[in-house]
Amino acid sequence: GIQVEQSPPDLILQEGANSTLRCNFSDSVNNLQWFHQNPWGQLINLFYIPSGTKQNGRLSATTVATERYSLLYISSSQTTDSGVYFCAPRTKGSSNTGKLIFGQGTTLQVKP
Amino acid sequence: EAQVTQNPRYLITVTGKKLTVTCSQNMNHEYMSWYRQDPGLGLRQIYYSMNVEVTDKGDVPEGYKVSRKEKRNFPLILESPSPNQTSLYFCASSFSGVSLNTEAFFGQGTRLTVV
Repeated sequence: GIQVEQSPPDLILQEGANSTLRCNFSDSVNNLQWFHQNPWGQLINLFYIPSGTKQNGRLSATTVATERYSLLYISSSQTTDSGVYFCAPRTKGSSNTGKLIFGQGTTLQVKP
Repeated sequence: EAQVTQNPRYLITVTGKKLTVTCSQNMNHEYMSWYRQDPGLGLRQIYYSMNVEVTDKGDVPEGYKVSRKEKRNFPLILESPSPNQTSLYFCASSFSGVSLNTEAFFGQGTRLTVV
């Protein structure tokens, strides 16, 4: 099955700094989502981005499906950005089960 | 507000005592599924449902049951919980499971501890 690798695994930032999180996947995908898991465990939808670039406030994401990667940009980070960021693609193989394939995540800590 | 609602959010129970975690969505989605999240193992699919009265096993179905009698509800049943089912559980829904180009939405999570 598809392999999903996220980097870096851990990231510590000072408040106000910018960062880029990367998601590589080993097979072609039909769609891809980014999630933020906050310290209370909730999974928050950030982007549904099968291809191209989207922006939402201080966050933006780019997926280059032909090159099998996606990037999540966080600008002017805030302490509330802390948590774990997951990318989760769906592949043709998912059409049987509908499941998302989650990467292991990037754990972000933003210090005040 | 469009949402997926799980209850309870937190639950501590004893081995062998049957329990049900409820999941409801108000988006008229056909597809619903359950995941569990464990340290080092990530999120794994337990069961899924393509539509009413259609359910199937995911990657880790042992010890769980589900039902889909109505489109909006997809309860997860643990007939005889064991400590290895201690986990964080998520319910998810999307417009379609067959169509790959649909966005998935997750519930708030249920943190279950079995002692």
